[in-house]
Amino acid sequence: EPEVTQTPSHQVTQMGQEVILRCVPISNHLYFYWYRQILGQKVEFLVSFYNNEISEKSEIFDDQFSVERPDGSNFTLKIRSTKLEDSAMYFCASSENRERNEQFFGPGTRLTVL
Amino acid sequence: GENVEQHPSTLSVQEGDSAVIKCTYSDSASNYFPWYKQELGKRPQLIIDIRSNVGEKKDQRIAVTLNKTAKHFSLHITETQPEDSAVYFCAASKGYSSASKIIFGSGTRLSIRP
Repeated sequence: EPEVTQTPSHQVTQMGQEVILRCVPISNHLYFYWYRQILGQKVEFLVSFYNNEISEKSEIFDDQFSVERPDGSNFTLKIRSTKLEDSAMYFCASSENRERNEQFFGPGTRLTVL
Repeated sequence: GENVEQHPSTLSVQEGDSAVIKCTYSDSASNYFPWYKQELGKRPQLIIDIRSNVGEKKDQRIAVTLNKTAKHFSLHITETQPEDSAVYFCAASKGYSSASKIIFGSGTRLSIRP
C-alpha cells in the first residue's frame, strides 16, 4: 500500500538556522499539506498546496515558512530562521482529489530547536 | 473561527467494554468528519470517516454517528482490546472544496485496562 514518506525523521538545529523538511506524497495525489504537533498537543494545520501554489495557510504559517514542490515527487517545508517554539513534530499529508478528501499522513519529522 | 471540541481528554475502560468519544464543531459548512488514531510517536492514522449526508457509519467494532443539526459527532468502539489504547482525534473539514484543511480536536487518550 503506498504511503507518504518524510525525511529526516529527526532534525536538531540551532536557533536562527534554516531547516528544510522533505516529503514524498502518494504518487497519484494532487493535494498536499503540512501540519505540526507540539508535544502532547493536537495536530495543527499549517498550509495546503495544490497546482503548484498555496491554497490556504494558517496564522502559524508566517513569513518564516515556505513550501515548494521542486520536482514531480517532493514537497518541502522550509523554515528560514528557526525559533525555540518551532520545536514540534511536522507531518506532511496528501489527498487524492477534491471529492475524496481523505488525507494520509507521513511518519513525521521531529524538529528540535536548541 | 473554526473549532473542534473533543471530550473526554482521557478515558479508561475495562477490556471488552465500550468506549465513546464525543466532539462538536463550530463551522456549519463542515461536511467531512474523519477520526484518527495516533500511537505514541507515530503518525495519525485514519480509522473511519463520515460525510454529512450520512448519519451513521460502522466498520467492525468502530462506529461513528453525526448529528448535523446539533453539530455533534461521536466515535464508538465496542469490545475494546488492548491494542485500542492510543490517542484518538476527531476532526472536521469542508470537503469538496479545494485542498480542504482538517481541523483537529484536542485528542482523547484511551487506555484499555486488562
